[in-house]
Amino acid sequence: RKEVEQDPGPFNVPEGATVAFNCTYSNSASQSFFWYRQDCRKEPKLLMSVYSSGNEDGRFTAQLNRASQYISLLIRDSKLSDSATYLCVGRNYGGSQGNLIFGKGTKLSVKP
Amino acid sequence: NAGVTQTPKFQVLKTGQSMTLQCAQDMNHNSMYWYRQDPGMGLRLIYYSASEGTTDKGEVPNGYNVSRLNKREFSLRLESAAPSQTSVYFCASRGLTGTSGRRNTGELFFGEGSRLTVL
Repeated sequence: RKEVEQDPGPFNVPEGATVAFNCTYSNSASQSFFWYRQDCRKEPKLLMSVYSSGNEDGRFTAQLNRASQYISLLIRDSKLSDSATYLCVGRNYGGSQGNLIFGKGTKLSVKP
Repeated sequence: NAGVTQTPKFQVLKTGQSMTLQCAQDMNHNSMYWYRQDPGMGLRLIYYSASEGTTDKGEVPNGYNVSRLNKREFSLRLESAAPSQTSVYFCASRGLTGTSGRRNTGELFFGEGSRLTVL
């Protein structure tokens, strides 16, 4: 079982919709989590970090549930420009993977 | 502000040929990484370098070698390319703080990618 798992989607939503993605992790020692965004044929870029208390950045809200070992990303009022693949990333301390474990990504397509 | 620069952006090789992907960062980051990305597989770590002079294997190191030439540069070499190495390769770096200014965020800065096809 991969350490970080995501529903690959695609999630097809209309503009203005609210959409949520979940990501589960298997390593309870994972310390930090992040959401990256990757546009088609582009490099991944950090969208936001996920803090234990949850955090919000404009239309985006990230939550961490350590008891159930999942991370969520909520996007409100979806825009066409939100269409991308969203990568969930966990960070472990130690190990041989350079500390960062990427999920395979969830594809979002926002339609007019 | 260049960030992470990798070359070449595109390359076509024949099976058995060798090549080196170059990567340089100008952010004074200690850690540098090489990933490959394949459809349905996500990003997989090939090698990483926690600091100048050190390199470690990642998830899929077979068929690759790396060199951390100095703090700025981290190259990836394919000694004898195989069709299974057809992929998009990303170089990345990480420092002690991210764009938010927070310390030790884990934020990776990626290059634009190198698309390699092995025939």
